[in-house]
Amino acid sequence: AQSVTQLDSQVPVFEEAPVELRCNYSSSVSVYLFWYVQYPNQGLQLLLKYLSGSTLVESINGFEAEFNKSQTSFHLRKPSVHISDTAEYFCAVSGTGGFKTIFGAGTRLFVKA
Amino acid sequence: DGGITQSPKYLFRKEGQNVTLSCEQNLNHDAMYWYRQDPGQGLRLIYYSQIVNDFQKGDIAEGYSVSREKKESFPLTVTSAQKNPTAFYLCASGGTVNTGELFFGEGSRLTVL
Repeated sequence: AQSVTQLDSQVPVFEEAPVELRCNYSSSVSVYLFWYVQYPNQGLQLLLKYLSGSTLVESINGFEAEFNKSQTSFHLRKPSVHISDTAEYFCAVSGTGGFKTIFGAGTRLFVKA
Repeated sequence: DGGITQSPKYLFRKEGQNVTLSCEQNLNHDAMYWYRQDPGQGLRLIYYSQIVNDFQKGDIAEGYSVSREKKESFPLTVTSAQKNPTAFYLCASGGTVNTGELFFGEGSRLTVL
């Protein structure tokens, strides 16, 4: 079975500052890893994913995440945040070949002017 | 445009009433899912279906029922047996290549008075 732990429930940060949202997972099988973003009263949107290959993956809006197998982590980073990045971010994991995706509890990112 | 449509977006019901939430997708995906979202708890899987006329219980299926008569449709009924039904409900579908990546609808917020 898999599990996901997001280490921070809320992260306040000033605009243009860097941010890191932390995610650790546990699994007995190889995994696929995801970050989703959710704006208020909306569904989740895929931000980025690790399936295989390069351990560093990037999104189109400047976020990146690095798959670290030895530390079982998939932390999300952005070097300079904008007000519009204010949202809730979910880390998720699925086992290779499995249909069930497990989500972390979410991290609320609040960007202040 | 392809996507997932959930309806209604907001729903109010009295205690003891059954309610049905609609989920329709035109992405030609085989797998569909229902998640429940409560503040600070992430997403919890209620039911999922990998193919038409087949579905499985997720982690919190008690008090819920589903059907999968068509590939495009996966309605969720919240029955009177669900002890705490007020929540945000999210429907998702999974791509034909099974990586666990999910595509979400906009959600349905159910409030039981």
